[in-house]
Amino acid sequence: KQEVTQIPAALSVPEGENLVLNCSFTDSAIYNLQWFRQDPGKGLTSLLLIQSSQREQTSGRLNASLDKSSGRSTLYIAASQPGDSATYLCAVDGANNLFFGTGTRLTVIP
Amino acid sequence: SQTIHQWPATLVQPVGSPLSLECTVEGTSNPNLYWYRQAAGRGLQLLFYSVGIGQISSEVPQNLSASRPQDRQFILSSKKLLLSDSGFYLCAWSLGSYGYTFGSGTRLTVV
Repeated sequence: KQEVTQIPAALSVPEGENLVLNCSFTDSAIYNLQWFRQDPGKGLTSLLLIQSSQREQTSGRLNASLDKSSGRSTLYIAASQPGDSATYLCAVDGANNLFFGTGTRLTVIP
Repeated sequence: SQTIHQWPATLVQPVGSPLSLECTVEGTSNPNLYWYRQAAGRGLQLLFYSVGIGQISSEVPQNLSASRPQDRQFILSSKKLLLSDSGFYLCAWSLGSYGYTFGSGTRLTVV
């Protein structure tokens, strides 16, 4: 069964800092990898989708990479802002099921 | 554009009462539909998924059931709620390799 791990579990940074969130998964036979953002008490907002044939995706200040062979993905956030404070979830698509990590809770301090 | 609607947003129900949560998708046809639960302090767990009308697959044994009476409608039900059914329930849809889109969730508290 696919297992997804996210490190660190929590991260606190000053505003303006660049940061990297890490995600690892045990089974490299994946369809896609998706990064989500979840604000407290809210649903999931999709940030980036990396299909299995791709190595990275970018959207604004966000860049996600995927290395299937090593079972790793990273989410890079440039010039962090207080509005980036949220929980970030990595999810691996294993065909009719997204396997989620437990998330990284990010706090950006003004 | 595609949208997903989930209601109600919050629900407080007594133990032993029935449950019905509804999810509808607009702007797409033949989506795969999913119900996830997020328990306090835990990750998201897939409860049910559906690849078509009347086709339901269950991932975990539980006190809940799901139905898909129409192509873009997915319903989560229970005949008698347990305290352990409390949690945050999320509906999602996917189509092909375009990723998953989630609804805004229902916070269920069983008292």
